[in-house]
Amino acid sequence: SAVISQKPSRDICQRGTSLTIQCQVDSQVTMMFWYRQQPGQSLTLIATANQGSEATYESGFVIDKFPISRPNLTFSTLTVSNMSPEDSSIYLCSVEMAGVNTEAFFGQGTRLTVV
Amino acid sequence: GQNIDQPTEMTATEGAIVQINCTYQTSGFNGLFWYQQHAGEAPTFLSYNVLDGLEEKGRFSSFLSRSKGYSYLLLKELQMKDSASYLCAVRKSNYQLIWGAGTKLIIKP
Repeated sequence: SAVISQKPSRDICQRGTSLTIQCQVDSQVTMMFWYRQQPGQSLTLIATANQGSEATYESGFVIDKFPISRPNLTFSTLTVSNMSPEDSSIYLCSVEMAGVNTEAFFGQGTRLTVV
Repeated sequence: GQNIDQPTEMTATEGAIVQINCTYQTSGFNGLFWYQQHAGEAPTFLSYNVLDGLEEKGRFSSFLSRSKGYSYLLLKELQMKDSASYLCAVRKSNYQLIWGAGTKLIIKP
């Protein structure tokens, strides 16, 4: 299993500013993912954070808006840039351990409100 | 396209049994997961099916039929703490997870 520490747990930010969310894992993992979950909806994958290379973004998400760092196998950050109220959401980091039938583990989530 | 369907909301009575269905159409299949998510919290793992059949784990069971693109989560002896959203997720051939919208389960005394 994996224990993930994600911070901040919540924040209220001004429009036009940026917020960086951190995700620290207690073991080395190959695959780390960043999700967004808007109220009452399911998880939407933003990007896969790759160690040593650029993140792979899903359709509708771009690096300029959501830059990601993955400096090593235990840590990643997601920045939400130039925020607007539409970015208000819960952001979750997730990891999967090596092996086919292992589940995804989640950080506690960051509840972001943009005013 | 890719699609995962599950009911938006279900209501059940404490002590009863409830079955939450999930149908899927994805590009490739490498397993199906069920997660529980309480309001304001991160999802937590419940079950994993990759072969057809029933997996039982305490009060929770999960069933898979790959030919029908169908799964269900069965919750027995419902407790008030089971009130939560239940998310169905399919792992594709490239190991990416595709998530359903979740079923909000309301337990009444």
